[in-house]
Amino acid sequence: RKEVEQDPGPFNVPEGATVAFNCTYSNSASQSFFWYRQDCRKEPKLLMSVYSSGNEDGRFTAQLNRASQYISLLIRDSKLSDSATYLCVVRVSGSARQLTFGSGTQLTVLP
Amino acid sequence: EAGVAQSPRYKIIEKRQSVAFWCNPISGHATLYWYQQILGQGPKLLIQFQNNGVVDDSQLPKDRFSAERLKGVDSTLKIQPAKLEDSAVYLCASSPGVSGNTIYFGEGSWLTVV
Repeated sequence: RKEVEQDPGPFNVPEGATVAFNCTYSNSASQSFFWYRQDCRKEPKLLMSVYSSGNEDGRFTAQLNRASQYISLLIRDSKLSDSATYLCVVRVSGSARQLTFGSGTQLTVLP
Repeated sequence: EAGVAQSPRYKIIEKRQSVAFWCNPISGHATLYWYQQILGQGPKLLIQFQNNGVVDDSQLPKDRFSAERLKGVDSTLKIQPAKLEDSAVYLCASSPGVSGNTIYFGEGSWLTVV
């Protein structure tokens, strides 16, 4: 079983739609959670951290469910510029090891 | 502020040949990472340095891959001999500390082994 699993998609949605991605992680010792964004043929960049109480950043909302070991990302009012691959990322507690990445979910926002 | 610099950006080699990639991290960042990203997959850590010491190289195929970070600044990743399955993007990243939650990636070195 992969440490971090995501639905690869692709998700094709019209502009203005709301879309949600889920991610599950296998290690219950995972402590820190993030969403990274990767544009086509570009490097990954941090989109947002995910906090236990949930958090928003503009049109983006991240949620964490520790009991079920999943993380979600909600994008409201999708823009063409949101088209990218969204990578779910976790860090295990007490580990000096860096982040473990999921394979990503591909989103295409259509005009 | 300058980002993570990598070179070359693109490389095509034949199997069994060797290749080397270079990375210069963000100034002042103590931790440097090399990731391998195969098409359709997420980045996978190959090796992590803290200054010039290795923190984690458990996923580095040591029979063919090597990396060094002399003087704790820039780093080189070498593959010798290359296999077809090594075709991937090699991403270098850096962070200020060993437990940095945000790591900053370079644009990557795209390797095709034919």
